[in-house]
Amino acid sequence: GQSLEQPSEVTAVEGAIVQINCTYQTSGFYGLSWYQQHDGGAPTFLSYNGLDGLEETGRFSSFLSRSDSYGYLLLQELQMKDSASYFCAVRDLETGGFKTIFGAGTRLFVKA
Amino acid sequence: EAGVAQSPRYKIIEKRQSVAFWCNPISGHATLYWYQQILGQGPKLLIQFQNNGVVDDSQLPKDRFSAERLKGVDSTLKIQPAKLEDSAVYLCASSLTSGTVSYEQYFGPGTRLTVT
Repeated sequence: GQSLEQPSEVTAVEGAIVQINCTYQTSGFYGLSWYQQHDGGAPTFLSYNGLDGLEETGRFSSFLSRSDSYGYLLLQELQMKDSASYFCAVRDLETGGFKTIFGAGTRLFVKA
Repeated sequence: EAGVAQSPRYKIIEKRQSVAFWCNPISGHATLYWYQQILGQGPKLLIQFQNNGVVDDSQLPKDRFSAERLKGVDSTLKIQPAKLEDSAVYLCASSLTSGTVSYEQYFGPGTRLTVT
């Protein structure tokens, strides 16, 4: 079967660094995406890892290890506006084409 | 460029009634997705279209849910009859292609459905 696991909640202070982990089990893994969703808002794309290694986009970085079926999102210099839910999403290549499976999400609380 | 448009934004219906949601993807985006997001959970894919063909509808409750994408542009999702457990936000998303190049999905604001 297909599954993704990520922590349900993470709390950190403003200015700190936080890492949100994601482990996955899928049959046709192709890549890992991260999305941010504020309460009442729509998910917005943050990053994508198709290959092993680190991808950096401003304060956000994402890492993938295919051999460990593991990835993480790293948020640096945390700001209050980063308080949101973060979803990892696996891109799976199956017979019919590419399919996306979202994790349950990690709720990040940033404290002053 | 204009984003993904959805309507209505909110809908309240009684169980056993029917409801329809509309989505207009970003111009030129070949792939369209409908997701169901229950409060506190991640989006769950209901159906994925590539142009006007269905790529995946394995998690669509076909006894009550239906979706179409005529002419490969906008799409409608219908629930008939609705159940209490259908209360959720229904998100529409689009992407340039479901091929190797584009993995980024652009989401609309969603329709919050409450079934009483």
